[in-house]
Amino acid sequence: ILNVEQSPQSLHVQEGDSTNFTCSFPSSNFYALHWYRWETAKSPEALFVMTLNGDEKKKGRISATLNTKEGYSYLYIKGSQPEDSATYLCASNTGNQFYFGTGTSLTVIP
Amino acid sequence: ETGVTQTPRHLVMGMTNKKSLKCEQHLGHNAMYWYKQSAKKPLELMFVYNFKEQTENNSVPSRFSPECPNSSHLFLHLHTLQPEDSALYLCASSQPNLGDQPQHFGDGTRLSIL
Repeated sequence: ILNVEQSPQSLHVQEGDSTNFTCSFPSSNFYALHWYRWETAKSPEALFVMTLNGDEKKKGRISATLNTKEGYSYLYIKGSQPEDSATYLCASNTGNQFYFGTGTSLTVIP
Repeated sequence: ETGVTQTPRHLVMGMTNKKSLKCEQHLGHNAMYWYKQSAKKPLELMFVYNFKEQTENNSVPSRFSPECPNSSHLFLHLHTLQPEDSALYLCASSQPNLGDQPQHFGDGTRLSIL
């Protein structure tokens, strides 16, 4: 079993603040790193997939980076909005297996 | 609308009942997955099917029996479940399981075992 850790477990920020959270994963047997956004009562939604060390992806105000050598990925949200409130999941894929973290729960206060 | 539909959304059953969860995708994907989400735990991969063939079974107890009749449909047959099997069961699909393809999830079935 691969240990994928996410921190912090939960986060409350004011509307307009920028924030970031971390996903740590074993750097051995690494193939791809996935980020998902999971709103309450909805299904997880794919945000990014990254495979190469140094990869950076961006979608609107959300961006992510990947460091495969040290085994971490950061997710950044610029100018948080209430609609960004959700649980953000990361998953490490070893080529044939997905290992998820427990997620970071983000609440954006209007 | 993610293109992945799960039914039922909620299910309450006794330990001796037999029931099935259904998943259907209209995305043209050839890989389908079952996950279990228990409280305070990460998503656990249960089964993977690629082109209707089971390619992963993560030591799941035999009281859970998957079936994939075609690339668009996936079932999870449940029999003699235990209270600790109460959880959210999520289905997902993707292009063939190459690891770098995003997964598309259904809304899940919330299962409660009495």
